[in-house]
Amino acid sequence: NAGVTQTPKFQVLKTGQSMTLQCAQDMNHEYMSWYRQDPGMGLRLIHYSVGAGITDQGEVPNGYNVSRSTTEDFPLRLLSAAPSQTSVYFCASSPRDRGEKLFFGSGTQLSVL
Amino acid sequence: AQSVAQPEDQVNVAEGNPLTVKCTYSVSGNPYLFWYVQYPNRGLQFLLKYITGDNLVKGSYGFEAEFNKSQTSFHLKKPSALVSDSALYFCAVRDYGNNRLAFGKGNQVVVIP
Repeated sequence: NAGVTQTPKFQVLKTGQSMTLQCAQDMNHEYMSWYRQDPGMGLRLIHYSVGAGITDQGEVPNGYNVSRSTTEDFPLRLLSAAPSQTSVYFCASSPRDRGEKLFFGSGTQLSVL
Repeated sequence: AQSVAQPEDQVNVAEGNPLTVKCTYSVSGNPYLFWYVQYPNRGLQFLLKYITGDNLVKGSYGFEAEFNKSQTSFHLKKPSALVSDSALYFCAVRDYGNNRLAFGKGNQVVVIP
């Protein structure tokens, strides 16, 4: 079982560039989410989705877009990268029940110069 | 909105001694509480959760946690720490009424041989 797959693992961008971080899961999970991890700040929720066609904002959504056209995929788009978006990004999924644990991907380390 | 506080940045403990990592939470309704562990350059892994029932929950790798509603706490414990327990530990809470899972800033645990 692949679980949650994130690509790429590393990325360097220049300020103003756009890119998409990919996330796919093969567990038929309804719930998917994106977090960013910064030193001393823990994980902060960017966007989440409870099913195909449904997305909602988390704690720090500005500068990021998401869509959920299929159950499996939940890409995160940076429209115009800024140095403040330098971070490690994690995608996570779970069954829809709020008591279920999250399964995390291995992360994408993004640097914006 | 729900939130989590992990008051200590780092916890140092000698191998074989008891390990405690503190967590307090804030929610408007009944909480779903989780502990996750992160090893270097890896995604987060689930340790244990409290949903309802017995206040003492047991999880992976010999860890346990005690839910205390009056103190709004969910401290993680292990009776005898191992060097391999050195990692970053995150407490997380989800309010019964919504889909957002909020994480604390994390505690670095260092087990000294």
